Amino acid sequence: EAQVTQNPRYLITVTGKKLTVTCSQNMNHEYMSWYRQDPGLGLRQIYYSMNVEVTDKGDVPEGYKVSRKEKRNFPLILESPSPNQTSLYFCASSPRDTLQETQYFGPGTRLLVL
Amino acid sequence: AQKVTQAQTEISVVEKEDVTLDCVYETRDTTYYLFWYKQPPSGELVFLIRRNSFDEQNEISGRYSWNFQKSTSSFNFTITASQVVDSAVYFCALSEFQAGTALIFGKGTTLSVSS
Repeated sequence: EAQVTQNPRYLITVTGKKLTVTCSQNMNHEYMSWYRQDPGLGLRQIYYSMNVEVTDKGDVPEGYKVSRKEKRNFPLILESPSPNQTSLYFCASSPRDTLQETQYFGPGTRLLVL
Repeated sequence: AQKVTQAQTEISVVEKEDVTLDCVYETRDTTYYLFWYKQPPSGELVFLIRRNSFDEQNEISGRYSWNFQKSTSSFNFTITASQVVDSAVYFCALSEFQAGTALIFGKGTTLSVSS
């Protein structure tokens, strides 16, 4: 089944404890991105990747890192999480390096930073 | 600058009513794409439709229909004979051909359908 998977789905952590949210897609998509969703703000892009070893900042990249060593994986790294990073995170992928194709979203990861 | 406005924060209807969710966008690009996504209470984002700027034909899919009007920069979504299962947050989104790769989302409209 073609899908985007994220792990973990739910995570409670404490301020300053490094964490990684994994994202994997099995559709051989070039493009992948991370969004965060906050009440009243909709979804905002954190980082995106056009292809392997190519990443760039989105609208709200502060406090996050990403890497794209393999085509299928695009982990989101929070080196020192803070409470304002409590959010619902979505990973997305699409077949090409532009958005002429539809982005498909993972199931989301709910993160609570205490 | 690109922007998507969903002015209706919350809508409540009774089953079988028709409901229209409004979406107004701003862009300077002549080539762009518009999307609707549904987010049910379980939280996932479900793709509903993609429309490019050169295709102004309205689309119907079952009880769902979309009205794209470039003259008013709107891409409205109508649910006919709403059902309880339609209760969700609906997001309209825009991507511009020139500007990069982000989907610009509206803030969403929460639709509650009661029986």
